[in-house]
Amino acid sequence: DAKTTQPNSMESNEEEPVHLPCNHSTISGTDYIHWYRQLPSQGPEYVIHGLTSNVNNRMASLAIAEDRKSSTLILHRATLRDAAVYYCVAGDAGNMLTFGGGTRLMVKP
Amino acid sequence: EAEVAQSPRYKITEKSQAVAFWCDPISGHATLYWYRQILGQGPELLVQFQDESVVDDSQLPKDRFSAERLKGVDSTLKIQPAELGDSAMYLCAVSSRPNTEAFFGQGTRLTVV
Repeated sequence: DAKTTQPNSMESNEEEPVHLPCNHSTISGTDYIHWYRQLPSQGPEYVIHGLTSNVNNRMASLAIAEDRKSSTLILHRATLRDAAVYYCVAGDAGNMLTFGGGTRLMVKP
Repeated sequence: EAEVAQSPRYKITEKSQAVAFWCDPISGHATLYWYRQILGQGPELLVQFQDESVVDDSQLPKDRFSAERLKGVDSTLKIQPAELGDSAMYLCAVSSRPNTEAFFGQGTRLTVV
């Protein structure tokens, strides 16, 4: 069974916030939640990661539910360059990264 | 300089032929991963190294795939013989410690004809 599940696609308007959801009800208590994004014909690019607390960096924010069964990646102001496939990834203590199916984000001007 | 260089970027090979991919990361990353990504799907882990040692290869089709990381830095992934279903993007990634940023190469797109 997949460790993480995401909607196949989402659409957003430029300069508006985007909330990308991820369900991970079966992850263990020590698994981190990572997010990567991938542009066409490129390798995935790190976005953010966290364990229990909400996290912020220059790219995005990560909100993790108190029960850790879900999380949300927040892009505060979507730009056209944010159009990509976003992957919610479970990272275990052995440094194994398990990717989900990803959400294709489309940004409309 | 990119954290991870992969070569070749593109490879077309006939089925039943042998093919090899190279991953050349900058030094300092203990963990190295090879992923396979079929078009429209998320990356699937094939093999994970910690320094020179394999820590997980449960999804590696060992009858035809092999991987090595002899000096704990660069790595090769080989397929022999290639099958039509092996057509995919092969991605190499590295990281320094558990649950830190992983750096991916641009991948090798393999087409088996």
